[in-house]
Amino acid sequence: AQSVTQPDIHITVSEGASLELRCNYSYGATPYLFWYVQSPGQGLQLLLKYFSGDTLVQGIKGFEAEFKRSQSSFNLRKPSVHWSDAAEYFCAVVSSGGYNKLIFGAGTRLAVHP
Amino acid sequence: KAGVTQTPRYLIKTRGQQVTLSCSPISGHRSVSWYQQTPGQGLQFLFEYFSETQRNKGNFPGRFSGRQFSNSRSEMNVSTLELGDSALYLCASSGTGESYNEQFFGPGTRLTVL
Repeated sequence: AQSVTQPDIHITVSEGASLELRCNYSYGATPYLFWYVQSPGQGLQLLLKYFSGDTLVQGIKGFEAEFKRSQSSFNLRKPSVHWSDAAEYFCAVVSSGGYNKLIFGAGTRLAVHP
Repeated sequence: KAGVTQTPRYLIKTRGQQVTLSCSPISGHRSVSWYQQTPGQGLQFLFEYFSETQRNKGNFPGRFSGRQFSNSRSEMNVSTLELGDSALYLCASSGTGESYNEQFFGPGTRLTVL
């Protein structure tokens, strides 16, 4: 069965430090991959997506992610974290059943120290 | 463009009651998906509608149902509420063409079952 794994449940970084959130997926064909961010009490905001082509994708708020087929990974990165980046981050893949069914990872909660 | 809207934002119900949640997609979007988010199970897909037809359904009991209207607005209904139905219910809409599979989420409806 398809799955998405986010190994880190909680990460704490200092403001200005770099960030990498890990995501591994299980999917046979070329996946459609997403990163979403959720602030407390809010819905999900799309940060970036990978459908095909360039394996390094740029998103909003200075985030980028790299698709590595050989490692079944789609890690999210940011060179310098801001206090406002504190939130929960979800990696997701479109199900092989299609029709806009997303399979989400468990999420990584990011805390930012001043 | 206005984003995805969901009403109501908060609901408190008691066990055994039923509830209806509403979702208005982004203008021009014809696909609406619903997800349930709980601390224990994370984000889980409920169902997806396109042009008033349910195309995909998640692994939820029949107490969970939905529908979509000709203007693409969607409702989901939960009958005979159980304590475990307490969750954040998120709806997402997506367009066609290049933006197909790119889902935009609403702020959610927080349902509390007492």
